[in-house]
Amino acid sequence: LAKTTQPISMDSYEGQEVNITCSHNNIATNDYITWYQQFPSQGPRFIIQGYKTKVTNEVASLFIPADRKSSTLSLPRVSLSDTAVYYCLVGGSDSSYKLIFGSGTRLLVRP
Amino acid sequence: EAQVTQNPRYLITVTGKKLTVTCSQNMNHEYMSWYRQDPGLGLRQIYYSMNVEVTDKGDVPEGYKVSRKEKRNFPLILESPSPNQTSLYFCASSLSVAPTEKLFFGSGTQLSVL
Repeated sequence: LAKTTQPISMDSYEGQEVNITCSHNNIATNDYITWYQQFPSQGPRFIIQGYKTKVTNEVASLFIPADRKSSTLSLPRVSLSDTAVYYCLVGGSDSSYKLIFGSGTRLLVRP
Repeated sequence: EAQVTQNPRYLITVTGKKLTVTCSQNMNHEYMSWYRQDPGLGLRQIYYSMNVEVTDKGDVPEGYKVSRKEKRNFPLILESPSPNQTSLYFCASSLSVAPTEKLFFGSGTQLSVL
């Protein structure tokens, strides 16, 4: 089961691009990488998912290098409403179907 | 509206008094799971279920029980709660166990065990 490591917290300002990196050295061949966003008093919600290279949607981009031992969530031009905790999740491919979340990165966006 | 519903939202109880936190989803999802969230520890999986009558332990199953008698419901049972089970609990579901399926989370249950 791939364990993930993320920075505990990050600060940014409105309008900046924010990159949050997750390390997952033991990622399995068939594992996918998924990122979730959590606001206070709410459950996490799906942001983006990828297997390799780059994935982009209306909310974020996900960069995954060839060795897949890390991934970077990129949030373009953040706003105050992007203040949240971001979780990197790796797994889903092994027969146990356990899902291991990292400790999350608390992003604070300042005016 | 597609959703995962947990009840209650807040619960205060005393040590040893059995309790059940309910979880229901209306999306016909096969996979359901429970997590607890503690400061600095992120989300830790307690139990999961791949389908009706199929459940398995997550990372922190001690002190918890679950059942999956119907596809839509996945209750979390604390037979004898202890103060170290004070936590924020989340139920989640996904369409299947495929690694590409995204999880849908409930709004959480804040449990305090005195």
